[in-house]
Amino acid sequence: AQSVTQLGSHVSVSEGALVLLRCNYSSSVPPYLFWYVQYPNQGLQLLLKYTSAATLVKGINGFEAEFKKSETSFHLTKPSAHMSDAAEYFCAVRMNNAGNMLTFGGGTRLMVKP
Amino acid sequence: EPEVTQTPSHQVTQMGQEVILRCVPISNHLYFYWYRQILGQKVEFLVSFYNNEISEKSEIFDDQFSVERPDGSNFTLKIRSTKLEDSAMYFCASILIQGSADTQYFGPGTRLTVL
Repeated sequence: AQSVTQLGSHVSVSEGALVLLRCNYSSSVPPYLFWYVQYPNQGLQLLLKYTSAATLVKGINGFEAEFKKSETSFHLTKPSAHMSDAAEYFCAVRMNNAGNMLTFGGGTRLMVKP
Repeated sequence: EPEVTQTPSHQVTQMGQEVILRCVPISNHLYFYWYRQILGQKVEFLVSFYNNEISEKSEIFDDQFSVERPDGSNFTLKIRSTKLEDSAMYFCASILIQGSADTQYFGPGTRLTVL
């Protein structure tokens, strides 16, 4: 079964600094990969997704992620953090041969310091 | 922009009571899901629903859980006899097409507290 690991349950950065949130997956075949964001008291909102078209994926709010098959990684980055980026971020994987259920990582809470 | 809605936002119940969590998926979507997140833990898949029947379910989704789409718009999750460990945030999701890279859209969640 596929699994997702997010290293670091909490990440703190200063405003304007690089954001790097790590995600590794286990899969024997290339999966579909997603990053979702959850703001306080809100649902899960899609940031971006990898669907095998391009390894570097650009999402909303200036975020991007790079699929690296050799490292089984899909890390999320943003060059310059804003205060409004403070939220919980979830990496998720869906196998392309197993229906549509998502398997989520444990989540990373991003804190942005002024 | 279309969105998935859920009611109530917060439900408090006594252990052993039945609860029904409600969701209105995006209107032209065909597949519907329930996930849950126990405080401090991962978001976990419970069940998927297509064409008025369950298409997949996890080991969490035992006999105390049931889902239905009673009227073509609502999608409900029923827990027959709640336990303390059912306390969690429950998310509904919907998607247009299965077996593709389409996006699952999530609702804001219902926080269930079992006392």
